Amino acid sequence: GQQLNQSPQSMFIQEGEDVSMNCTSSSIFNTWLWYKQEPGEGPVLLIALYKAGELTSNGRLTAQFGITRKDSFLNISASIPSDVGIYYCAGQLVNRDDKIIFGKGTRLHILP
Amino acid sequence: EPEVTQTPSHQVTQMGQEVILRCVPISNHLYFYWYRQILGQKVEFLVSFYNNEISEKSEIFDDQFSVERPDGSNFTLKIRSTKLEDSAMYFCASSGLGNQPQHFGDGTRLSIL
Repeated sequence: GQQLNQSPQSMFIQEGEDVSMNCTSSSIFNTWLWYKQEPGEGPVLLIALYKAGELTSNGRLTAQFGITRKDSFLNISASIPSDVGIYYCAGQLVNRDDKIIFGKGTRLHILP
Repeated sequence: EPEVTQTPSHQVTQMGQEVILRCVPISNHLYFYWYRQILGQKVEFLVSFYNNEISEKSEIFDDQFSVERPDGSNFTLKIRSTKLEDSAMYFCASSGLGNQPQHFGDGTRLSIL
């Protein structure tokens, strides 16, 4: 089946540093999504991308939908302690009511 | 902001017993989903539901699983005879018309003893 390869698996960074994580796939996706999950909670949508090449920001977060439709990245600028959590890339193959296929996540740790 | 609510937050059940997980999707949403997350693993799709029928299901969603929308507000997942490997977080999600993204509930932690 379709798989999303997300990297890195985990990151340890200093507060205030910028973060970058990415996701690749062998399949073409029509929608790329980035979710954050904190302990005891469900995934919360951060950014949704619908067009190849699209670059979208949400506060300190920026994500891009790759031109090939097979990749996406998420950047977080000037990290703060509440950025700690697991970040999942996810995609939908065709329509926006399709199932979401999730990557394995990037666990972000922030050192004081 | 409207949200997807799931009950119970934690369910402990003996192996072989039936369990029903409940979800109240966002009120004007029409597409409903169940996902599963085994501890330490990624979120996996189970089933999608639209217009009172299953739209798509994964290979995980075998004959032991069923979904139902018994009234205008609830969406349930039933596991008929639970197995140890059914232990996981189960997330309900919903989305509306107009290309809206899926919104997730906070999940039910199912523990099979």
